[in-house]
Amino acid sequence: QSVLTQPPSVSGAPGQRVTLSCTGNSSNIGAGYDVHWYQQIPGKAPKLIIHDNNKRPSGVPDRFSGSMSGTSASLAIAGLEAADEGDYYCQSFDSSLSGSVFGGGTKLTVL
Amino acid sequence: EMLLVESGGGLVQPGGSLTLSCAASGFSFATFAMNWVRQSPGKGLEWVSSITHTGGNTYYADSLKGRFAISRDNSRNTLSLRMSNLRAEDTAVYYCVKDLTGTRAFDVWGQGAVVTVSS
Repeated sequence: QSVLTQPPSVSGAPGQRVTLSCTGNSSNIGAGYDVHWYQQIPGKAPKLIIHDNNKRPSGVPDRFSGSMSGTSASLAIAGLEAADEGDYYCQSFDSSLSGSVFGGGTKLTVL
Repeated sequence: EMLLVESGGGLVQPGGSLTLSCAASGFSFATFAMNWVRQSPGKGLEWVSSITHTGGNTYYADSLKGRFAISRDNSRNTLSLRMSNLRAEDTAVYYCVKDLTGTRAFDVWGQGAVVTVSS
């Protein structure tokens, strides 16, 4: 069971906007530790798409955006494309565990 | 281009040991903290261990303390993970990962090394 909670799956049609959630507690997200998001295409290594809650690395389209509130964070993907299909993971730091923690991942399906 | 290339994976019997290595190139290795992250078959990502840029401080997931040891050689741009007393549940792809400056985000990932613990 992961420290950060993500819905197992989410789906949307091409062109639509979807939101993926990541829920933590007072030892991680709620304590103010930054949240980062990764995209993993099957068979590939994860790729950083959002860091420090809402910052996009160079080369990541602005269709991807991040936000956080209280003990939760969200990743929004606008204008869904077939290439967006994959698994998405959130990550933060947990003070009680003294280490990084990941969510269990959300599988995004583009219908 | 920043690259991380893992090596040393393979099949090992329960109770055995294995050392993974990661060769870094394309960036100033000695100025970045480094990490290992693993992914069991069909499962999610799990942080394993971190080491500061000098190697002076190391951190481990609670479940792995005492069995795994992270180290680095800045003169050779190499990160290592020594794994001992391996169990079936340690079977996973092990990724070598670089810290993004000033954050705990992981911005560069290796292709992964497959470790299978089985008799």
